[in-house]
Amino acid sequence: AQKITQTQPGMFVQEKEAVTLDCTYDTSDPSYGLFWYKQPSSGEMIFLIYQGSYDQQNATEGRYSLNFQKARKSANLVISASQLGDSAMYFCAMREVSRGGYQKVTFGTGTKLQVIP
Amino acid sequence: NAGVMQNPRHLVRRRGQEARLRCSPMKGHSHVYWYRQLPEEGLKFMVYLQKENIIDESGMPKERFSAEFPKEGPSILRIQQVVRGDSAAYFCASSPRRTEETQYFGPGTRLLVL
Repeated sequence: AQKITQTQPGMFVQEKEAVTLDCTYDTSDPSYGLFWYKQPSSGEMIFLIYQGSYDQQNATEGRYSLNFQKARKSANLVISASQLGDSAMYFCAMREVSRGGYQKVTFGTGTKLQVIP
Repeated sequence: NAGVMQNPRHLVRRRGQEARLRCSPMKGHSHVYWYRQLPEEGLKFMVYLQKENIIDESGMPKERFSAEFPKEGPSILRIQQVVRGDSAAYFCASSPRRTEETQYFGPGTRLLVL
């Protein structure tokens, strides 16, 4: 089974609207974390937001919020008030603790978001 | 505080040549991770190193690929006798501790094999 699943290869959103990018995960580890990264056309990986499995509240960072539903094993990214500069690939990732006690990160296949003026 | 640095940013090699990719972690970070991103795909873990030690190389191809993180200097990912299928973006990430939650990524090296 895929550890991280992003079912939307591409999404369009109108400028100033909100958009939700889906991410589901699979783990049996009680302690894990979920990340979202943005990859613009220039190629770098930009960290956006992090949610720990024991965090009580959903993470928020400016216009980004993470809709964490633990029972459903989903960690959707919500971008509010979309801007043209939000057009990019977005990757969901999960960290788990390996047997060696270090963090191992698995990435999804990404969602390409295009913001329409 | 400088971020993770990778060089070169772009590398072109002909089939059969060697590629050397360098990664300087953030100051104070002694844990380095290498990932590969094939075209139109997500990042895939390759190898995790601490200073002078390879901790986990389960994601690295058994042949032609090697990695090191010496006591002094950057971490090096070496690909010998490159083939067209090695064309990809190679990202390095670093963290200050083994148990650190967040890995900080470099800008990547884009390798093109002709």
